[in-house]
Amino acid sequence: NAGVTQTPKFRVLKTGQSMTLLCAQDMNHEYMYWYRQDPGMGLRLIHYSVGEGTTAKGEVPDGYNVSRLKKQNFLLGLESAAPSQTSVYFCASSLDSGQPQHFGDGTRLSIL
Amino acid sequence: GESVGLHLPTLSVQEGDNSIINCAYSNSASDYFIWYKQESGKGPQFIIDIRSNMDKRQGQRVTVLLNKTVKHLSLQIAATQPGDSAVYFCAETSGTYKYIFGTGTRLKVLA
Repeated sequence: NAGVTQTPKFRVLKTGQSMTLLCAQDMNHEYMYWYRQDPGMGLRLIHYSVGEGTTAKGEVPDGYNVSRLKKQNFLLGLESAAPSQTSVYFCASSLDSGQPQHFGDGTRLSIL
Repeated sequence: GESVGLHLPTLSVQEGDNSIINCAYSNSASDYFIWYKQESGKGPQFIIDIRSNMDKRQGQRVTVLLNKTVKHLSLQIAATQPGDSAVYFCAETSGTYKYIFGTGTRLKVLA
């Protein structure tokens, strides 16, 4: 019973490098989300998806892209990493809106 | 180690006592509320939820109270245990994709 799985768990990048964060859920949830968590702030929504093949911008989308080619996977891409993107990234999924979100254990990303 | 939450308000409770964690929510149109627990180095874990047509909901050792008049949510943990030590935060939504998350309260259980 894996729930939401995120890979990698840790990563250090240099400014300007690119990478993709992977999220997989095995609960057949329609909605998936990417958040970032920074000290002193609540979770902030980067991008979200309401179903396979759909994506939409959240509160802080700049510098990130996403794809949802398969219902169970939601990928977050950083095209050109910046130090301001140093954060802990969480993926979540929910059956529908107005339902509990289930979170992965996060990816801790440092941009030097 | 986990750097998130260095400056969070902290509630220290003796083991075995009851804990009450409070949350003021912002949107009067919010109709669904969730409490999450986040342990160091882990993702938020669902504890209990409540919809706006209820004032109180109970789970195993936890109770959530909702006061819509003053836009206030509380989480009560009975007989607090060392394993309850974590950051707790609330979330609200008005039924869309958008959830507003609080910054959280750190609960420390003293032996």
